[in-house]
Amino acid sequence: DAKTTQPTSMDCAEGRAANLPCNHSTISGNEYVYWYRQIHSQGPQYIIHGLKNNETNEMASLIITEDRKSSTLILPHATLRDTAVYYCMGLIQGAQKLVFGQGTRLTINP
Amino acid sequence: NAGVTQTPKFRILKIGQSMTLQCTQDMNHNYMYWYRQDPGMGLKLIYYSVGAGITDKGEVPNGYNVSRSTTEDFPLRLELAAPSQTSVYFCASSYVRSDAEAFFGQGTRLTVV
Repeated sequence: DAKTTQPTSMDCAEGRAANLPCNHSTISGNEYVYWYRQIHSQGPQYIIHGLKNNETNEMASLIITEDRKSSTLILPHATLRDTAVYYCMGLIQGAQKLVFGQGTRLTINP
Repeated sequence: NAGVTQTPKFRILKIGQSMTLQCTQDMNHNYMYWYRQDPGMGLKLIYYSVGAGITDKGEVPNGYNVSRSTTEDFPLRLELAAPSQTSVYFCASSYVRSDAEAFFGQGTRLTVV
C-alpha cells in the first residue's frame, strides 16, 4: 500500500471550498486513492475514491494529478458539519487492507 | 438494514480479565476488519478477514485473537486485559469490488483498570 502524507491540520471558513491535499508518491499503478473522514468519535465514513480520472459525487470532488503522485479532496461548500479528520489512503482493488495514516484535522469556522 | 453492529458499546474490565467484542454485519460483505483508536490518535488495524475461515494480522495484533466462522460475524477476543488495551474499538466490513467502500460500526469504548 502507498505511503501517504497529509497536513496535520487545516482551517476553512464556512461556505468556502475546503481543499485537502495528499501526497502519495509511492503509489503503484493499480492502487486507488481513497478518502474517508471521521467526525468526532464516530466510525469513519467513506467519501470518494479514484484511480486516474477526477471523480465527483454528492459529498466531494477528487482531483488526481496526471503523475498520480498527489491528490486533492475538495468539499465545495464546507459546513460546520464537515469538521472532522480526513484520511487519504492507497488501496489495491481486490486486496483491501485498510490502513489509516494520521489524517488531516479540518476545522470549519463560522 | 442494520449495517455493522458492535456490542457492547461500553465496557470496563479489570486487569487480567478476558472478554469478546462482538461484530456482525448483514450486508454479506467478504471483508471484515478490527481497529483500535487511542485518544487523539489515528486508527490502527488489529486483524482483518477476507472471508469465512480466513484471518490475518494487521499492524497491532498482539494481545488479541479473532475468528471468522461465518460471513456475518467477526468477534475480537482479549484474553488477558491490560491497561494498554484501553481504547475505542471499531469493526468494519466491505465488498470486494471496484467501488467497494468500507462501512464502520459505532465503536466499543473499552477501559481496563
